[in-house]
Amino acid sequence: DSGVTQTPKHLITATGQRVTLRCSPRSGDLSVYWYQQSLDQGLQFLIQYYNGEERAKGNILERFSAQQFPDLHSELNLSSLELGDSALYFCASSVGLIGNTIYFGEGSWLTVV
Amino acid sequence: AQTVTQSQPEMSVQEAETVTLSCTYDTSENNYYLFWYKQPPSRQMILVIRQEAYKQQNATENRFSVNFQKAAKSFSLKISDSQLGDTAMYFCAAPSGAGSYQLTFGKGTKLSVIP
Repeated sequence: DSGVTQTPKHLITATGQRVTLRCSPRSGDLSVYWYQQSLDQGLQFLIQYYNGEERAKGNILERFSAQQFPDLHSELNLSSLELGDSALYFCASSVGLIGNTIYFGEGSWLTVV
Repeated sequence: AQTVTQSQPEMSVQEAETVTLSCTYDTSENNYYLFWYKQPPSRQMILVIRQEAYKQQNATENRFSVNFQKAAKSFSLKISDSQLGDTAMYFCAAPSGAGSYQLTFGKGTKLSVIP
């Protein structure tokens, strides 16, 4: 158990819908990361927050947004869903910004039908 | 890193034998950390080992060790005494760049341990 908690574990939704994925980082970790893993794909970095502020953006679509709350939990919002958004979405956390090990949650499986 | 390359999409090894997974990366950072993660069929990402680039000594964690060649930007993972539970995808990860710390992952190597 990495200490990073993600909910829901599985989600099936229809095209055009909106979903929210939730993440609680490890106790004491200030950085939260979101990654997307599609079938046959590696992990694609989406976005990073540190202590409530956005710090880095990767290949995140405009239909996707995220935030980190004062209690450090984070949410990833996915809207106008398309079939191609079906993937495993990982949240990860680390203590700081530089050099710290990144620990991953178990992921949220999103299936868009 | 702009690129992290794992040149072996699939590998297999006999149980109890040793296998080495390759990884090369490209980074402009001077001080950085490198990681190997394991993803078993459950799809959870599990940290295997971490290497600090400013340390010349290769990292070791039980049966797992790395061969880190900083000048060559090479970071291979050696698994000794392979066990059936080692069957998984293995991902190498390196820093993406300056500023906010994030990792770029390779495409992964699918390792099968054969009984």
